[in-house]
Amino acid sequence: GAVVSQHPSWVICKSGTSVKIECRSLDFQATTMFWYRQFPKQSLMLMATSNEGSKATYEQGVEKDKFLINHASLTLSTLTVTSAHPEDSSFYICSAQAQYGYTFGSGTRLTVV
Amino acid sequence: GDSVTQMEGPVTLSEEACLTINCTYTATGYPSLFWYVQYPGEGLQLLLKATKADDKGSNKGFEATYRKETTSFHLEKGSVQVSDSAVYFCALALILTGGGNKLTFGTGTQLKVEL
Repeated sequence: GAVVSQHPSWVICKSGTSVKIECRSLDFQATTMFWYRQFPKQSLMLMATSNEGSKATYEQGVEKDKFLINHASLTLSTLTVTSAHPEDSSFYICSAQAQYGYTFGSGTRLTVV
Repeated sequence: GDSVTQMEGPVTLSEEACLTINCTYTATGYPSLFWYVQYPGEGLQLLLKATKADDKGSNKGFEATYRKETTSFHLEKGSVQVSDSAVYFCALALILTGGGNKLTFGTGTQLKVEL
């Protein structure tokens, strides 16, 4: 079946640094990928929709300059959290729309100290 | 706007008990409905889905029926196991005007199954 690989699974970084999270579709091409953020005991909040070869579409309230999304190929989308702060600590999950539905990555636990 | 409402958790059950997690939705069109499961420390996995009214999705002993008249998609299982302990998310997807679609999630319901 369709598999999405997300790396890293967890990362700890210092405040002010940038962190890149990768999302790869392993056995299918994904023209569209989605990035979600999950706060503890809350639902997934869609941050942005990543389209291959074009600019991402950000949801209202999401800072596009802080959460940089690049979708340069049909199998790779990246989310870069720039100048990270402790309030950016969260669980980030990517998703891609495959032939038979949505497939999710295993998530990245980001802790900013 | 489109939304999904789930019963609050945590839900704590004994093994072999019956499970029902309520889910209702609000949508302007005719959405597809999903249940996703998230085990501790992992991403989401599709549990089951239904794409039109009266469809029943089923997987691993779980079932949910798409009820258009009550705008509901309740998740049920006749006999839960400890391994079913996870967070369950109800979600809907609508086709967007410009093509493609977007998932809208409920807040999730944590299920704890004890021996």
